[in-house]
Amino acid sequence: GDSVTQMEGPVTLSEEAFLTINCTYTATGYPSLFWYVQYPGEGLQLLLKATKADDKGSNKGFEATYRKETTSFHLEKGSVQVSDSAVYFCALTLYSSASKIIFGSGTRLSIRP
Amino acid sequence: DTAVSQTPKYLVTQMGNDKSIKCEQNLGHDTMYWYKQDSKKFLKIMFSYNNKELIINETVPNRFSPKSPDKAHLNLHINSLELGDSAVYFCASRGAGGPDTQYFGPGTRLTVL
Repeated sequence: GDSVTQMEGPVTLSEEAFLTINCTYTATGYPSLFWYVQYPGEGLQLLLKATKADDKGSNKGFEATYRKETTSFHLEKGSVQVSDSAVYFCALTLYSSASKIIFGSGTRLSIRP
Repeated sequence: DTAVSQTPKYLVTQMGNDKSIKCEQNLGHDTMYWYKQDSKKFLKIMFSYNNKELIINETVPNRFSPKSPDKAHLNLHINSLELGDSAVYFCASRGAGGPDTQYFGPGTRLTVL
C-alpha cells in the first residue's frame, strides 16, 4: 500500500547548522508530496508542497525537491534557528475525491542556541 | 477568523463516558477529515466527509461516530471511552478538486482516566 518513511528522530543541531530530514515514499499512482510542521502545543501547518516530479517546494528557508526516480522528498535548510524546533511530518496524497493524507512517523527537531 | 476551529481544546473524562468533539471550518471547503495523533506523534486518518457524505472510514471502532450536519461542520462522537482513546484529535478540511492542501484545526487533547 501507499506509505511514507522518514528518518527517525530526535534530531539535535546547533543554531546555523545545515539540516536534512530524509523522506521516501511508496505510492501506486502519482502523489502530491508535503511537509507539515507541528510546533510545540500547536496543530499542523503546511510548510511546503510539490505536486509533480522535479518540482521544488520552498518556504521559510526550507526546501524539498520531488524526486520521482528515487521516490524521495528530503527536507533541507541551510541555516537552522532555535525557532525551527518542532516535529516535521512528510506526507503524500493521491488524487481522488477523498485525497486522504498519509503521514510519515514524524521527526522531532531540536535546535540548540 | 480562525479557518478550522475545534472545541474543546482539552477534554478529560472517565472511562466508559460518552463525549463529543466539534469542528467547524469557514473556508467553504467540501471535504473534512478527522485524524488521530497518538502519544508517539503518529498521525492516522480516521474519517472523511465530502458534502455531508462519508467517504473514508479507516476501520475505526464503531464507538466512534462522525456526524456532519452541513458541509462546514464535522463532529466526532465517542461512546464508551477507553484508555486507548487518549490522544490528540485533529480536524482538517480541503477544497474541491485535486489533492490540494488540507488545513488543520488546533487539535483536541483527549485524556481518558
